[in-house]
Amino acid sequence: DGGITQSPKYLFRKEGQNVTLSCEQNLNHDAMYWYRQDPGQGLRLIYYSQIVNDFQKGDIAEGYSVSREKKESFPLTVTSAQKNPTAFYLCASSPLAGGNTGELFFGEGSRLTVL
Amino acid sequence: AQSVTQLGSHVSVSEGALVLLRCNYSSSVPPYLFWYVQYPNQGLQLLLKYTSAATLVKGINGFEAEFKKSETSFHLTKPSAHMSDAAEYFCAGGRNTGGFKTIFGAGTRLFVKA
Repeated sequence: DGGITQSPKYLFRKEGQNVTLSCEQNLNHDAMYWYRQDPGQGLRLIYYSQIVNDFQKGDIAEGYSVSREKKESFPLTVTSAQKNPTAFYLCASSPLAGGNTGELFFGEGSRLTVL
Repeated sequence: AQSVTQLGSHVSVSEGALVLLRCNYSSSVPPYLFWYVQYPNQGLQLLLKYTSAATLVKGINGFEAEFKKSETSFHLTKPSAHMSDAAEYFCAGGRNTGGFKTIFGAGTRLFVKA
């Protein structure tokens, strides 16, 4: 079955450590996204990528980094510069070619807790 | 400024009662409208979408929404709530040129009482 796989599901880290969240899709979608979700704040866009080897900052990119070396993969690194990293992180993808109606396809999410 | 506003961060209904979750959008919001559902500790799943065809849109699990341009609203309804409908619901506006243009509301958590 096609879909988006995020790992790990739960992650605990000490303050000051960098962590990397994995996101892999087999939907053959061109675009991939990372969102952060906090209670009562909806979803906020961190980074997005529309093509391999290219990505753009979203609304809250500070303290995060990404790479897009393969179409299927879009890992997110939460660096020690991120002031409040504890959150639920969602990866999504979407096609960009014809037939695209703007729908986003989401992974199951990764919950990061910084102790 | 573009915005999607969901009225009520929490809504509680009894099982079997009407579900009404409200969503209003600013006129500058992209033309496609969506409702997504999120169960605890899971990702978002599309319930339904409006893409300028019919103004009354039917989705999964018995939900539907009506696009009303004059009221800039896209409220989500279900005639009879079921316990399994308890979840968080997000209204969003987007366009087909890239999901980075998607604007999400803050979400409404639906509680269903037995």
